[in-house]
Amino acid sequence: TQLLEQSPQFLSIQEGENLTVYCNSSSVFSSLQWYRQEPGEGPVLLVTVVTGGEVKKLKRLTFQFGDARKDSSLHITAAQPGDTGLYLCAGDGNSGYALNFGKGTSLLVTP
Amino acid sequence: KAGVTQTPRYLIKTRGQQVTLSCSPISGHRSVSWYQQTPGQGLQFLFEYFSETQRNKGNFPGRFSGRQFSNSRSEMNVSTLELGDSALYLCASSFDSGGDTQYFGPGTRLTVL
Repeated sequence: TQLLEQSPQFLSIQEGENLTVYCNSSSVFSSLQWYRQEPGEGPVLLVTVVTGGEVKKLKRLTFQFGDARKDSSLHITAAQPGDTGLYLCAGDGNSGYALNFGKGTSLLVTP
Repeated sequence: KAGVTQTPRYLIKTRGQQVTLSCSPISGHRSVSWYQQTPGQGLQFLFEYFSETQRNKGNFPGRFSGRQFSNSRSEMNVSTLELGDSALYLCASSFDSGGDTQYFGPGTRLTVL
């Protein structure tokens, strides 16, 4: 199993602050996905990164895939309370199509 | 288009019982995957079904089983429940397997007493 480690595990910030969360592995992934999960709901896909060094932007969210395709980061600019949730990274598994998930970063943005 | 639906949303069982959870994928999707989510282990892959055949299986004991019907709806069964089976069970569907985007349902929260 290819392990994905996410950091920090918990993050509590105030509205307007910037933050970065990380997803690291010793394994190479052909693609990596970021999800956000809100309480009582399933994860919702935010973005998929495929190419090493790729940067994708989704409004105030910026996603980067490491050059070696072993790590990724998510940067949020001017966080808002609506950004609160569990952010999960997932990489394609090595046995068919099975996503390997990190344990997530729980983000709380207070007004 | 309706999303992935899971029933029931909440379930309470006692040790030793068995449980069946149901998942209806997005219309037209043929692949259904099941995941277990716990605070300690995060999301862990259980198995994936495609066109009524189990294509992939995670590292779970044989008490966990599943099946897929001809209309792509899927069920998972857990027999001889243990306290550690308490978790959120998530179903995800995709049009095809092999890298296609997975869409998750809201999950079934199972509590084993």
